[in-house]
Amino acid sequence: KQEVTQIPAALSVPEGENLVLNCSFTDSAIYNLQWFRQDPGKGLTSLLLIQSSQREQTSGRLNASLDKSSGRSTLYIAASQPGDSATYLCAVTQGVSGGGADGLTFGKGTHLIIQP
Amino acid sequence: SAVISQKPSRDICQRGTSLTIQCQVDSQVTMMFWYRQQPGQSLTLIATANQGSEATYESGFVIDKFPISRPNLTFSTLTVSNMSPEDSSIYLCSVRRTGGRGTIYFGEGSWLTVV
Repeated sequence: KQEVTQIPAALSVPEGENLVLNCSFTDSAIYNLQWFRQDPGKGLTSLLLIQSSQREQTSGRLNASLDKSSGRSTLYIAASQPGDSATYLCAVTQGVSGGGADGLTFGKGTHLIIQP
Repeated sequence: SAVISQKPSRDICQRGTSLTIQCQVDSQVTMMFWYRQQPGQSLTLIATANQGSEATYESGFVIDKFPISRPNLTFSTLTVSNMSPEDSSIYLCSVRRTGGRGTIYFGEGSWLTVV
């Protein structure tokens, strides 16, 4: 059974710092990996999706990498801002016969606080 | 992206009652899923809602407790039956669009408190 682990569980840094959130998964036979953001009292917002054949994806100040063989992904946030404060969730789709029909398996998230 | 509307957004329910959550998507989607997020926890997949047939449930979730309907490609319901305080959670609908890169989108969630 797939297990997803996120480190650290919580992180508090001053505004302007670059930071890295880590995600690992036990079964490397994934279809894709997705990073989400969850604000208090809200649903999930999709940030980046990396297909199993890709190494990284970028969107603005966010960069996500994927090392499928080692079961790891990182989310890099550049020049952090107070508005980046949220819980960041990593999730993988296992795929049925490579078709990605399964739902997502989530990590427990990293609770990020950016201090003004 | 996909616009996903869930109703109700919040509710306080009496123990022993049942509540049905609705999920409406703005376009046809291939896959619809229901997740639960218990307080302080991450998301757990309850089931995949299949159009025109019975839902596919994950280990630990059963149809009698969480009946699901999906009458068409844009709508699904999840019922939480015979509720207890342990069912107090956020219930989230999510979809994967037809084609595309497999991105999964989430609704805002339905926050249920059972008293």
